[in-house]
Amino acid sequence: DAGVTQSPTHLIKTRGQQVTLRCSPKSGHDTVSWYQQALGQGPQFIFQYYEEEERQRGNFPDRFSGHQFPNYSSELNVNALLLGDSALYLCASSLQGVYSGANVLTFGAGSRLTVL
Amino acid sequence: AQKVTQAQTEISVVEKEDVTLDCVYETRDTTYYLFWYKQPPSGELVFLIRRNSFDEQNEISGRYSWNFQKSTSSFNFTITASQVVDSAVYFCALSPPYNFNKFYFGSGTKLNVKP
Repeated sequence: DAGVTQSPTHLIKTRGQQVTLRCSPKSGHDTVSWYQQALGQGPQFIFQYYEEEERQRGNFPDRFSGHQFPNYSSELNVNALLLGDSALYLCASSLQGVYSGANVLTFGAGSRLTVL
Repeated sequence: AQKVTQAQTEISVVEKEDVTLDCVYETRDTTYYLFWYKQPPSGELVFLIRRNSFDEQNEISGRYSWNFQKSTSSFNFTITASQVVDSAVYFCALSPPYNFNKFYFGSGTKLNVKP
């Protein structure tokens, strides 16, 4: 049973460029959340997608956008990259329930983005 | 406001020692969920435990145990007889009930277990 898969695992970009990160959720899951983890910090919530719509957003600028596809996979796009966007980007999936706060998130290994 | 504090940035122990990782949280919600995740060097966060705010019973799973004290807003994690494979970064997280998977993570505690 495959867990959450993310691609690419590592990538290097320069300031001002755009990046797209991809995520396939665990089989049976329908909800995808994205987190940013700066070096030495805990993950910070970017947004969540369910039924192909953004349902909740954290404190991130509009440069961060996403998409969910009918097969539940998701993309995270970041435009106009800044040095401060360098981080590990984690995708997490879950099965949406009535009490979404109780969901156990299954995380992928992340995409490590370096912005030069 | 929701907040999780893990004051211990890094802990080093020798194999077979017991170690406790502290977690203190802040929330105004009466219903909430607390989690512990382990992050090995490979990067993915591995789920360890979930506890809801109405269940203050402590839990033991093998060498792992968790102490939830609502009175002090703490949810501490103890590893008994630590092993080298326990070396990782451990995160405590808080989740309000209707928040669309918006977890609030602490900054993590890096545990080094030396042989």
